[in-house]
Amino acid sequence: QSALTQPASVSGSPGQSITISCTGTSSDVGGYNYVSWYQQHPGKAPKLMIYEVSNRPSGVPDRFSGSKSGNTASLTISGLQAEDEADYYCSSYTSSSTPWVFGGGTKLTVL
Amino acid sequence: EVQLVESGGGLVQPGGSLRLSCAASGFTFSSYWMNWVRQAPGKGLEWVANIKEDGSKKYYMDSVRGRFTISRDNAKNSLYLQMSSLRAEDTAVYYCARGYNGGMDYWGQGTLVTISS
Repeated sequence: QSALTQPASVSGSPGQSITISCTGTSSDVGGYNYVSWYQQHPGKAPKLMIYEVSNRPSGVPDRFSGSKSGNTASLTISGLQAEDEADYYCSSYTSSSTPWVFGGGTKLTVL
Repeated sequence: EVQLVESGGGLVQPGGSLRLSCAASGFTFSSYWMNWVRQAPGKGLEWVANIKEDGSKKYYMDSVRGRFTISRDNAKNSLYLQMSSLRAEDTAVYYCARGYNGGMDYWGQGTLVTISS
């Protein structure tokens, strides 16, 4: 069982917006601003989309945004495009004995 | 161009050992934390271990602590993961990834480790 909880799947139509949640505890998501998000297409390596809750690496479209409220972080993708269809994972630093944890992943389907 | 290339994966019997390598290029390797992350077939990502720029600090996930050892050779721009007492549940693609502001900004393509008799 993953330390961070994500919905197994979300879907949306092209042009719409979707939000993926990532729920943890005060020992991880709620306690630190080291939340990151990754996109992974089938058979490919993950790609960093958001770091430190809401920062985008260079080259990531501004359609991708991140936020956090309490123990829940969120990734929002606006203006959905077909190429956004992928698995998305959140990650957070944690004060537990395993210092970094991932969520279980969310499969995004673009209808 | 930043490149990370893993090698050393393969088929190993339970209880065996394996050493993974990650060759880095295109950046100042000695200036970054480095990570190993794994992904079991059809499953999600799982952080395994990381190591500080100079190798002075190392951290592990609970289930591999005492069995896996992360190390680096900054002169060779290389990251390593020595794995021993391997179990079926260690079967996964192992990625090396560069640490960046609490995330991991560059990843290799991964190397498959299969533990089976």
